[in-house]
Amino acid sequence: DADVTQTPRNRITKTGKRIMLECSQTKGHDRMYWYRQDPGLGLRLIYYSFDVKDINKGEISDGYSVSRQAQAKFSLSLESAIPNQTALYFCATSEGTSGRVQETQYFGPGTRLLVL
Amino acid sequence: QKEVEQNSGPLSVPEGAIASLNCTYSDRGSQSFFWYRQYSGKSPELIMFIYSNGDKEDGRFTAQLNKASQYVSLLIRDSQPSDSATYLCAVEAYGGATNKLIFGTGTLLAVQP
Repeated sequence: DADVTQTPRNRITKTGKRIMLECSQTKGHDRMYWYRQDPGLGLRLIYYSFDVKDINKGEISDGYSVSRQAQAKFSLSLESAIPNQTALYFCATSEGTSGRVQETQYFGPGTRLLVL
Repeated sequence: QKEVEQNSGPLSVPEGAIASLNCTYSDRGSQSFFWYRQYSGKSPELIMFIYSNGDKEDGRFTAQLNKASQYVSLLIRDSQPSDSATYLCAVEAYGGATNKLIFGTGTLLAVQP
């Protein structure tokens, strides 16, 4: 079984709809991240969480919200989807024990979202 | 704005050759550097990380770091068609107690049989 899973893998929705993307991990990691990837723009950080009670905005958080329901679960919501949120979304995790040094992040398989 | 720059490519090399992928970064405080490989439509997977100046070798892969020049590179020896992918450079963006990764846009590598 995969260590980091994302559901759904593909989603088509309409402008104005609320949708939720879910991420679960069995790695026992404390830190979880949500990124979006667009052609030519690379991976951009939306939100990140270093433990269940810690939520932080990334560089492109507008239009998104998150919930850290448990150590293993981190959900991303689009409250009112718009077409420019069409992208490939990745969840990632890292261990959370290395202090000053940035740790390796492990990525889920991605969710391809199309907003019409 | 903390930035990570990569040539988007495509970088085309013949099978068996050395592929050289380059990355520059703007934040002099960065201490951790990562190379990820991403096949089309798939998730990024870690190839190597490097923290210290100099070279770090792992099989056919060598990461090179020069903090003075703010430059990190990845060499792939004996390139294989299966190495054809986008290679993402990621650099720690130090921000107090909560460090994050900044990703470059990636270099597309095409290894020709």
